[in-house]
Amino acid sequence: DAGVTQSPTHLIKTRGQQVTLRCSPKSGHDTVSWYQQALGQGPQFIFQYYEEEERQRGNFPDRFSGHQFPNYSSELNVNALLLGDSALYLCASSPSGGLRSFFGQGTRLTVV
Amino acid sequence: DQQVKQNSPSLSVQEGRISILNCDYTNSMFDYFLWYKKYPAEGPTFLISISSIKDKNEDGRFTVFLNKSAKHLSLHIVPSQPGDSAVYFCAADPNTGNQFYFGTGTSLTVIP
Repeated sequence: DAGVTQSPTHLIKTRGQQVTLRCSPKSGHDTVSWYQQALGQGPQFIFQYYEEEERQRGNFPDRFSGHQFPNYSSELNVNALLLGDSALYLCASSPSGGLRSFFGQGTRLTVV
Repeated sequence: DQQVKQNSPSLSVQEGRISILNCDYTNSMFDYFLWYKKYPAEGPTFLISISSIKDKNEDGRFTVFLNKSAKHLSLHIVPSQPGDSAVYFCAADPNTGNQFYFGTGTSLTVIP
């Protein structure tokens, strides 16, 4: 049983560009959350998707958007990249009503 | 505004001894707490959790204690093993919706 998978593992983008990160949840999980982990910090909640809708959102600007597909996989899009968006982006999945999340290995985004 | 705090960035312990990792929180609405362990180049993995209606939860070598009046929780690892060397994150969930607030992490080194 594959766990949570994220692609790509590493990415380098130029300031002002747009980026799309992808996540496939663990089998049987229908809820996907995205987190940003800056260097030396803990993960920060960006948003959560359930039934293809954004269910909850953290304190992130509208440049951060997402999508969930019928097969529960998800994308995170970031527009107008800033240097400060450089971070590890983590995807986490959980079953509806589940009390813990399973995390992917993350996508390391570097904005230059 | 950091609602979950881990004030010790690092901790070193001799193999076989007890490791105690601490976490403080400010939001009394948090009702579920978790500890995640993270190795380099991997996503966080779930370790142990506790509901706000309990004050202790044990799983093998790992025990989590919750003191609601002090808004404090701790993770005890006994006995500590070199494989326990990792970064440990404390996380809190305000509504068991898998929207986690993470601390900044404590890097544990277990010395053989």
